Amino acid sequence: EDQVTQSPEALRLQEGESSSLNCSYTVSGLRGLFWYRQDPGKGPEFLFTLYSAGEEKEKERLKATLTKKESFLHITAPKPEDSATYLCAVQARGNKLVFGAGTILRVKS
Amino acid sequence: DTGVSQNPRHKITKRGQNVTFRCDPISEHNRLYWYRQTLGQGPEFLTYFQNEAQLEKSRLLSDRFSAERPKGSFSTLEIQRTEQGDSAMYLCASSAGPPGTDTQYFGPGTRLTVL
Repeated sequence: EDQVTQSPEALRLQEGESSSLNCSYTVSGLRGLFWYRQDPGKGPEFLFTLYSAGEEKEKERLKATLTKKESFLHITAPKPEDSATYLCAVQARGNKLVFGAGTILRVKS
Repeated sequence: DTGVSQNPRHKITKRGQNVTFRCDPISEHNRLYWYRQTLGQGPEFLTYFQNEAQLEKSRLLSDRFSAERPKGSFSTLEIQRTEQGDSAMYLCASSAGPPGTDTQYFGPGTRLTVL
């Protein structure tokens, strides 16, 4: 069965303090790994898709990387507006996404 | 706004009542998905349509749940005889492009509370 584990469950950072979120996965035949951002009471907002080990993608202060067993979301010099829950999901068989439980990020000014 | 829309945004109902939610996908997206999300968890897959055909259903989808997508446009999710355990955020997503490589875009969700 496909599984996704995210760590840490919660992360508190000071503004400007860089860090990384981890997404470990176990799937048979990875077709894609997705990162989403979710604000309280809202639907997930798409950030990145990674398809193969070694791939990297960047958007503003965020950078996502992928290996054969895990993905990292690096946050460089975060700002308070980066506070949200970050969700990782994998797509293997079929079209459904299997999500992790998410990492709650709080950035204090 | 050309994103995925869902209605209603909030629904409070009493146990045993039936509820129906609507999802309007992004225009021309031929694939539509329903997920359920409870507090502190990531979304869980419920069902998936390609055009009007329902191609996959999760084991989570009990006999009390039914989904339709007439004419391959909007979709409805109905829950019959609601239970307190059905309280959750119900999310709809849509996508287009080659299967397995397309991005799913989510709507704002419908928050269901069963009293």
